[in-house]
Amino acid sequence: QVQLVQSGAEVKKPGASVTVSCKVSGYTLTALSMHWVRQAPGKGLEWMGGFDPAEGEAIYAQKFQGRLTMTDDTSTDTAYMELTSLTSEDTAVYYCAIDRWLDPWGQGTLVTVSS
Amino acid sequence: DIVMTQSPLSLPVTPGEPASISCRSSQSLLDSNGYNFLYWYLQKPGKSPQLLIFLGSNRASGVPDRFSGSGSGTDFTLKISRVEAEDVGIYYCMQALQTSFTFGPGTKVDIK
Repeated sequence: QVQLVQSGAEVKKPGASVTVSCKVSGYTLTALSMHWVRQAPGKGLEWMGGFDPAEGEAIYAQKFQGRLTMTDDTSTDTAYMELTSLTSEDTAVYYCAIDRWLDPWGQGTLVTVSS
Repeated sequence: DIVMTQSPLSLPVTPGEPASISCRSSQSLLDSNGYNFLYWYLQKPGKSPQLLIFLGSNRASGVPDRFSGSGSGTDFTLKISRVEAEDVGIYYCMQALQTSFTFGPGTKVDIK
């Protein structure tokens, strides 16, 4: 059974960058497509980006173009999400999830952006 | 991007009674192979979302059979045949027809 374990909470200043990791167990990352979804406090779910097997590359939501980078380390079955130029609007819980049907999900990583 | 809407946004329920949530998309989610790329998720309080229904009407592994999904094209429905206390939370529909996935605003289900 695939399980996803994410890195711990982060506090960042405006303008900084954050990297969140998502380690896969029970399967190999090379056989999976990782997606990232975030949820601002008290708000709904927002898809940020994911790997598209048909395109063979990561696809990012227009909103995050130029600020979001998704990478993989297949040697450790760990996926990474880096978001740059942070503002208070980026304060949210960030989730990783597997494949087009987004199942399963990681436990979430709270990123707080505050001066 | 495809816009997803849900109704109602709030749904007080009585345990043992049925419940229904509607989800509509701004474009058809039916692909050329006959699959509707519509998914339902439940986010229980303080937890990560969990997949309930995939491709419009298929229950995910371990999901109780009181949950069912139906619909095609742009109109979809999630039904709970008999609500249990553990079903409280926020229900989201999501389209995955276009790689830029989009979620509905969520329907908060709680006990009356």
